[in-house]
Amino acid sequence: RKEVEQDPGPFNVPEGATVAFNCTYSNSASQSFFWYRQDCRKEPKLLMSVYSSGNEDGRFTAQLNRASQYISLLIRDSKLSDSATYLCVVSRSGGYNKLIFGAGTRLAVHP
Amino acid sequence: GAVVSQHPSRVICKSGTSVKIECRSLDFQATTMFWYRQFPKQSLMLMATSNEGSKATYEQGVEKDKFLINHASLTLSTLTVTSAHPEDSSFYICSASSGTGVSPLHFGNGTRLTVT
Repeated sequence: RKEVEQDPGPFNVPEGATVAFNCTYSNSASQSFFWYRQDCRKEPKLLMSVYSSGNEDGRFTAQLNRASQYISLLIRDSKLSDSATYLCVVSRSGGYNKLIFGAGTRLAVHP
Repeated sequence: GAVVSQHPSRVICKSGTSVKIECRSLDFQATTMFWYRQFPKQSLMLMATSNEGSKATYEQGVEKDKFLINHASLTLSTLTVTSAHPEDSSFYICSASSGTGVSPLHFGNGTRLTVT
């Protein structure tokens, strides 16, 4: 079983749509959680950290359920520029050290 | 912001040869560097963690004699793929940390290795 599991997608949505991505992780000792964004053939870039209380950054909302070992990302009012692969990431040791990446969920936003 | 430079960005080599990939932190001291590998449509797989001045720690299933990591200074780590085979063709990415773990990792722009 993979340590971080994501639905690979792709999610094809029109501009303005709301889309949600889910992720589960298997290591209950995981300390920190993130969403990264990766464009084709590029390095991943940090989108946002994920906290148990839930957190929001503009159109992006992340949620963490430690009991279910489940992480989500909600994107509202999708833009064409949101098209990318979204990576669910956990840290075994806390902070930003030793990140373990999910395979990613591909999002394609069309006009 | 902080920058990590990775070189080369693309390399093609013949089977059996060795390839060295460099990862440099340009404006901060990288106590710890991580090396990842990504096959098409798959996740970034952590290969090893290197700390300046000490031996790298390899993840399970990664051959330390095949993927040589050197982290001799606070700004440079190198990954050498020895006796490369076509199955080693992949996207290799490094990331660097100042070591505290409280700041986001900075990723290099990756190296696409093709072994023919």
